[in-house]
Amino acid sequence: QKEVEQDPGPLSVPEGAIVSLNCTYSNSAFQYFMWYRQYSRKGPELLMYTYSSGNKEDGRFTAQVDKSSKYISLFIRDSQPSDSATYLCAMIRAAGNKLTFGGGTRVLVKP
Amino acid sequence: DAGVTQSPTHLIKTRGQQVTLRCSPKSGHDTVSWYQQALGQGPQFIFQYYEEEERQRGNFPDRFSGHQFPNYSSELNVNALLLGDSALYLCASSLPGLNQPQHFGDGTRLSIL
Repeated sequence: QKEVEQDPGPLSVPEGAIVSLNCTYSNSAFQYFMWYRQYSRKGPELLMYTYSSGNKEDGRFTAQVDKSSKYISLFIRDSQPSDSATYLCAMIRAAGNKLTFGGGTRVLVKP
Repeated sequence: DAGVTQSPTHLIKTRGQQVTLRCSPKSGHDTVSWYQQALGQGPQFIFQYYEEEERQRGNFPDRFSGHQFPNYSSELNVNALLLGDSALYLCASSLPGLNQPQHFGDGTRLSIL
């Protein structure tokens, strides 16, 4: 069993819809959580970085962490075709150095 | 302000050869990590360099080695290349201290024939 599970998709939504992405993890040692966006032939781009359980908002993006359930989510409001990409969740242990990634979810926003 | 830069962008090698990939971190970053991303998968941690030393290593064989220079730039070396080494190799840099967010370059795509 992988430490971090993420539905590979693809997830197809119409422009303007809310995109909902999530990851589950098995190791309670993970304390810091990130979401990255990766376009084809590019490196991952950091979108959100959170520590505490609860919500963190940045523009159209909201990251949600539930440590008791070992579950994290990313919501994208008012989705645009330019949001079409692969979204990767990643997490790190306290005082850790190594990012552990999910497998990524491919998202397609149709005009 | 330049982000993380990697070179070359694409490389083709044959089995058994050796390869060196290069990374320049973002300005102000002193820690460099390397990841391998196979097609359709998430990146896998290879190792991290800090103060010119390997600080942590993932589950990769000794064929994978690295180096960090005094200017914080880094190299990843892979010996005795196998077909399974074909992947996107990503470099990430971060600020001093633990648990800092890591910022990635666009990677080097390595193809083994």
